[in-house]
Amino acid sequence: ELKVEQNPLFLSMQEGKNYTIYCNYSTTSDRLYWYRQDPGKSLESLFVLLSNGAVKQEGRLMASLDTKARLSTLHITAAVHDLSATYFCAVENTDKLIFGTGTRLQVFP
Amino acid sequence: DARVTQTPRHKVTEMGQEVTMRCQPILGHNTVFWYRQTMMQGLELLAYFRNRAPLDDSGMPKDRFSAEMPDATLATLKIQPSEPRDSAVYFCASGLNYEQFFGPGTRLTVL
Repeated sequence: ELKVEQNPLFLSMQEGKNYTIYCNYSTTSDRLYWYRQDPGKSLESLFVLLSNGAVKQEGRLMASLDTKARLSTLHITAAVHDLSATYFCAVENTDKLIFGTGTRLQVFP
Repeated sequence: DARVTQTPRHKVTEMGQEVTMRCQPILGHNTVFWYRQTMMQGLELLAYFRNRAPLDDSGMPKDRFSAEMPDATLATLKIQPSEPRDSAVYFCASGLNYEQFFGPGTRLTVL
């Protein structure tokens, strides 16, 4: 059974600081997704990582994938309050997405 | 601006009542997924379809839940009878090839 683990579960960080969210998964997969969810809202697609070594960046967020280590990271650079949300990684398994538990990020001044 | 739509957005009902949730996928997308989100269990896949055919509904309690796609523009998720433990947000997502796009969700409260 494919398991997806994220850490940390909660992250409180100061504006301007850098931090990394980790996503580990238990079986082979070549596709990994990052989503953002604001409170009471739907999930918004951030990144789709399709191969080993893939790196994608959008604004202050950068995602990478190491399929050999079964690890993806979401790096936050110089955090701002607008990045406060819950971030999910999801791993594809025969067309289905298996989601991690989510990382609740709170950025404070 | 193509997006997945879901109705109703909110539903409050009493235990034992039937609940039907509807989803209109993005035009041209060939896969449709139903998820349930709760604080305790997180995001769970209930069922999914490709080209309107059900492929996997192993995440769904079979005795009370049913999912259908009567046509390419409509997917339904029905609960009968509903129970308080069914209270959750139900998301529909549609996709083409691999990426999935989520609808706004239906927040269901069963009293």
